[in-house]
Amino acid sequence: DAKTTQPNSMESNEEEPVHLPCNHSTISGTDYIHWYRQLPSQGPEYVIHGLTSNVNNRMASLAIAEDRKSSTLILHRATLRDAAVYYCILRDVTDKLIFGTGTRLQVFP
Amino acid sequence: SAVISQKPSRDICQRGTSLTIQCQVDSQVTMMFWYRQQPGQSLTLIATANQGSEATYESGFVIDKFPISRPNLTFSTLTVSNMSPEDSSIYLCSAGTGRLTEAFFGQGTRLTVV
Repeated sequence: DAKTTQPNSMESNEEEPVHLPCNHSTISGTDYIHWYRQLPSQGPEYVIHGLTSNVNNRMASLAIAEDRKSSTLILHRATLRDAAVYYCILRDVTDKLIFGTGTRLQVFP
Repeated sequence: SAVISQKPSRDICQRGTSLTIQCQVDSQVTMMFWYRQQPGQSLTLIATANQGSEATYESGFVIDKFPISRPNLTFSTLTVSNMSPEDSSIYLCSAGTGRLTEAFFGQGTRLTVV
């Protein structure tokens, strides 16, 4: 299983943008980059995913490096509700989601 | 999108007994997975629930301890057998249609073994 590396924790103030980095230097050509987050006492929820091109949805944006060895999840305006653990996961042809330790995001009012 | 319902949401069980957790998806999915999440930890994949055949277990997990069924495309069960306090954890079901799309998760079953 390809691995990802994320900072253990990050902090942000409310209504500021947040850039959550992820390194995945051993990514293969068919691996999709998925991001999920887990709010306290809840199951993980999908945030965004991509293969090569940058992606935008109503929750966030995903910026993927040209060599695909890193990516950044961008929350354009953090809210208190965005405080969660964010997981960057490479999803390969087995379709399994193998979770790492993730980044715990704290958002301050 | 898909909605996943897990039952029970929580339970307290005696050591040596077994508990079966049910996972129901409101639409047909190709992939179903079972995870365990111990307090303060990340999720650990237990197995892939295969429809109509034996589940595929990850390293460290065995069928005798965690038998899994998946009789159709929308339903799966995970049994935690011969429980010990070390099995106290949150067990989560996940489902989806592959890596090109999002995966969905249930709210989890919080198991306490006493």
